[in-house]
Amino acid sequence: NAGVTQTPKFQVLKTGQSMTLQCAQDMNHNSMYWYRQDPGMGLRLIYYSASEGTTDKGEVPNGYNVSRLNKREFSLRLESAAPSQTSVYFCASSERPQRGADTQYFGPGTRLTVL
Amino acid sequence: GENVEQHPSTLSVQEGDSAVIKCTYSDSASNYFPWYKQELGKRPQLIIDIRSNVGEKKDQRIAVTLNKTAKHFSLHITETQPEDSAVYFCAARKAGNMLTFGGGTRLMVKP
Repeated sequence: NAGVTQTPKFQVLKTGQSMTLQCAQDMNHNSMYWYRQDPGMGLRLIYYSASEGTTDKGEVPNGYNVSRLNKREFSLRLESAAPSQTSVYFCASSERPQRGADTQYFGPGTRLTVL
Repeated sequence: GENVEQHPSTLSVQEGDSAVIKCTYSDSASNYFPWYKQELGKRPQLIIDIRSNVGEKKDQRIAVTLNKTAKHFSLHITETQPEDSAVYFCAARKAGNMLTFGGGTRLMVKP
């Protein structure tokens, strides 16, 4: 079991370039999430997918788009990167039962720098 | 929506001392409260969680307490060790909703 995997691990972009961050999970989880973590700060939710075929905005969605390709994969796209998007991006997944505990499992992160 | 505040933002203790991190939440319907540990350069990982039908939960040197009336919950680490040094995040969730994370506490355990 690989858990949650992300590619790439590191990326440097120039302002205005586009890229897609990939995430996959092999735990048969229903829900997947994208967070950003800025230096010394907490985790802010960008977008999430409660179940296959659905996506919703989180706290900081501007400048991003997502695709839930299938139950395993959830990608995050930056159409026109800006320096303010320099951050570490974490993908996570969870079973997300309607009630009770909902442990989120995180990927290793992608460290993105926009020049 | 839910708002989770976490204090302190940094905490320095001597090895062997106890550490306490506190969080408050705003939505009285929240019923699940996990704590995550993030070591430098690594991913956040769940260390303990508690549900609203329980007041306290313990796992070896780590314990979490919940006060639903006051809407706050705390992480207690006893006999701290250098490997406990990390950033700790609390979070809160109500049924059917997303997790909302606190801002994090950087714990430094001095040998």
